[in-house]
Amino acid sequence: QQQVKQSPQSLIVQKGGISIINCAYENTAFDYFPWYQQFPGKGPALLIAIRPDVSEKKEGRFTISFNKSAKQFSLHIMDSQPGDSATYFCAASSGAGSYQLTFGKGTKLSVIP
Amino acid sequence: GAGVSQSPRYKVAKRGQDVALRCDPISGHVSLFWYQQALGQGPEFLTYFQNEAQLDKSGLPSDRFFAERPEGSVSTLKIQRTQQEDSAVYLCASSYGTGGYEQYFGPGTRLTVT
Repeated sequence: QQQVKQSPQSLIVQKGGISIINCAYENTAFDYFPWYQQFPGKGPALLIAIRPDVSEKKEGRFTISFNKSAKQFSLHIMDSQPGDSATYFCAASSGAGSYQLTFGKGTKLSVIP
Repeated sequence: GAGVSQSPRYKVAKRGQDVALRCDPISGHVSLFWYQQALGQGPEFLTYFQNEAQLDKSGLPSDRFFAERPEGSVSTLKIQRTQQEDSAVYLCASSYGTGGYEQYFGPGTRLTVT
């Protein structure tokens, strides 16, 4: 049972465009939703995170939108740059459990000049 | 400051050998997690420590996998009698508080079992 579903699997965006990655979850006990960025050969790096008590969080060019009723959340990367080319993972965890992160399968983003 | 470090970065083991993977968390971080990442997949949870106590080991795939954190800082993940299906990147993450929010990952150890 895949508890966090992520789409698309891959994404190609022109430089300066908006990249949008979507995730849906099933477990209503999840209360923390981070996004990680991973470059080849590196560990995942925490990018931005949101709690379900807010519907949107913005940090620089990165925005998380959260829809609690639909059990969906998304990452928007504004003014996408070639340096943003990486694999992005959404994740979720529950404070009622051991805080383990449940990850989506990842989205490989390519930003072309 | 220094991030999470892991060693070795690469490990090649023959099937049946035992391996030990080390994780040095960020100084002062109470919580420590191990994850396994197969090629092209997201990380999957293995086990969780709060200080020296292993509070959750539900993700360990078999009794060949063993983890410890005896002094509440450095942790070691040991895999006995390695199998080809154990080939993966093993990631360690730490977080400051007793909760697991804001987990910071190390670079991982890529294990290849031949």
